[in-house]
Amino acid sequence: LAKTTQPISMDSYEGQEVNITCSHNNIATNDYITWYQQFPSQGPRFIIQGYKTKVTNEVASLFIPADRKSSTLSLPRVSLSDTAVYYCLVGDISNFNKFYFGSGTKLNVKP
Amino acid sequence: DTEVTQTPKHLVMGMTNKKSLKCEQHMGHRAMYWYKQKAKKPPELMFVYSYEKLSINESVPSRFSPECPNSSLLNLHLHALQPEDSALYLCASSQDPGGGTEAFFGQGTRLTVV
Repeated sequence: LAKTTQPISMDSYEGQEVNITCSHNNIATNDYITWYQQFPSQGPRFIIQGYKTKVTNEVASLFIPADRKSSTLSLPRVSLSDTAVYYCLVGDISNFNKFYFGSGTKLNVKP
Repeated sequence: DTEVTQTPKHLVMGMTNKKSLKCEQHMGHRAMYWYKQKAKKPPELMFVYSYEKLSINESVPSRFSPECPNSSLLNLHLHALQPEDSALYLCASSQDPGGGTEAFFGQGTRLTVV
């Protein structure tokens, strides 16, 4: 299983763009990168998934360099409600049970 | 309906009690999961059911007993738990273990063992 490394915590202010980087040096050829968001006492919620280059949806962008050894989740113009823990997962897309949660990044958005 | 429903939301049980956690989804998903999450830690995978059959048991103690009565329901039977088993128990589902790209999680059951 590809091990992931994320910063333990990050601080930001409302309206700023936030970039959270995840390292996954031993990512396998078939592995995809997935990000989840979790609020206190709630289950994680899927944000975005990608394999290479750039993926964008209505809430975030995911940047993956050519070597795929890292990835960056970009949250545009964060608000207080984006305060949460963000998990980077790396695993075989054909089998979710091969997705294991890393330690996560606690994002604190300040007014 | 993209919801996974877990009941109860909160549960307090003694170490000699027997209780069950319930999870339900109506998205037609064929893979269902139980996770355990301690405070300030990431979710830890416990069990995976694929097409109503147990496919993964992550070496979970036998005092936790999963059951999948049908494709929409997942139970976790609890017996003789220890205080250290107190945690948030999360249920999740995905479309298919062989093709799912996204897992949907319930709100969890906050379990306290006294």
